[in-house]
Amino acid sequence: AQSVTQPDIHITVSEGASLELRCNYSYGATPYLFWYVQSPGQGLQLLLKYFSGDTLVQGIKGFEAEFKRSQSSFNLRKPSVHWSDAAEYFCAVAPGAGNNRKLIWGLGTSLAVNP
Amino acid sequence: GAGVSQTPSNKVTEKGKYVELRCDPISGHTALYWYRQSLGQGPEFLIYFQGTGAADDSGLPNDRFFAVRPEGSVSTLKIQRTERGDSAVYLCASSLGATTGELFFGEGSRLTVL
Repeated sequence: AQSVTQPDIHITVSEGASLELRCNYSYGATPYLFWYVQSPGQGLQLLLKYFSGDTLVQGIKGFEAEFKRSQSSFNLRKPSVHWSDAAEYFCAVAPGAGNNRKLIWGLGTSLAVNP
Repeated sequence: GAGVSQTPSNKVTEKGKYVELRCDPISGHTALYWYRQSLGQGPEFLIYFQGTGAADDSGLPNDRFFAVRPEGSVSTLKIQRTERGDSAVYLCASSLGATTGELFFGEGSRLTVL
């Protein structure tokens, strides 16, 4: 069965520091991969997605993610974190085209940013 | 508003009561999804509509849960004989298509069953 693992439940970084949030997936074929952010009082917002092609994907708000098939990973990165980045981050996988609806989600990583 | 709207934002009810949660998707989005998010968990797929029909309801946990989308726009998630375990945030999302289109989520309806 497909699954998504986000090993870090909670991460704290200082403002201006770099960030990497880990995501590992279990799926037999090449999955469709997503990162969403959930801020307090707001709905989930798509940061970026990977379907095919270039394995380094650029997203909104200065985020990027790299798909590594050999490691079954899709880690999210940002070179310099801003206080407004404090939120819950979810990695999700869709088992192929046409299955956008049946996203399988990780448990999320809560990011705190120290001033 | 241009986003997905969900009402009520909060609902407290007693065990055994009936609850309706409403979702108003982005105009023009034909695909609509309901997810459920329990505390400390990621969202869990419940049901998906393409137009007026439920194309996939395999995520509904049991027959106490039912959802409709009679005119292909607004959807209502209905929960009968609520149980304490139904307490969660119910998320609605919409998208232009059901394949690779981006999901746009509402803020959710927080249901608490006492």
